[in-house]
Amino acid sequence: GQNIDQPTEMTATEGAIVQINCTYQTSGFNGLFWYQQHAGEAPTFLSYNVLDGLEEKGRFSSFLSRSKGYSYLLLKELQMKDSASYLCAVRSNTGKLIFGQGTTLQVKP
Amino acid sequence: NAGVMQNPRHLVRRRGQEARLRCSPMKGHSHVYWYRQLPEEGLKFMVYLQKENIIDESGMPKERFSAEFPKEGPSILRIQQVVRGDSAAYFCASSRAGVGTDTQYFGPGTRLTVL
Repeated sequence: GQNIDQPTEMTATEGAIVQINCTYQTSGFNGLFWYQQHAGEAPTFLSYNVLDGLEEKGRFSSFLSRSKGYSYLLLKELQMKDSASYLCAVRSNTGKLIFGQGTTLQVKP
Repeated sequence: NAGVMQNPRHLVRRRGQEARLRCSPMKGHSHVYWYRQLPEEGLKFMVYLQKENIIDESGMPKERFSAEFPKEGPSILRIQQVVRGDSAAYFCASSRAGVGTDTQYFGPGTRLTVL
């Protein structure tokens, strides 16, 4: 079966660091993606991991452990505009993305 | 550099009517994916197409839904005899290739409301 789990909601303070976890159990694996989605808008690509380890991109970093079926997205120096949903998605061997429910992050002043 | 284009952005239909949703991929992309997002739910894969071919339709409902990506023109997702439960945001994504390291980039979506 296909199962991707993320926390439903998180709250953090402006300027802080937040880590959003994602665990997955899928029948195939061809990379893990993180997208950001503001309410009523399209998902926008944040990061991609296919090998174990940390990928850093400015204020955003993503980590993958394939043996543990685990990833996290790290957001540093949080800004109010980072309030959004963060979607974890596994790409199957056929190319389709399998999404988790998404984590709604609220950044407070 | 135009991104993925979808139209219409909003579509209202009455029960029993047909809905046609269009998607033009990014320039240079020949792979198109359709996803549906029901209210308060995550994105669910529907269908994956290349030009003139359906590669994976494992997420498509068996009845009333069809998709195509002709040699010329946009990809079309067609829903016949719409019902209230079809109300959702329908997103199209495109990529240069289907596997490997290629990222899927999403369009702005079509929000379908069935009255």
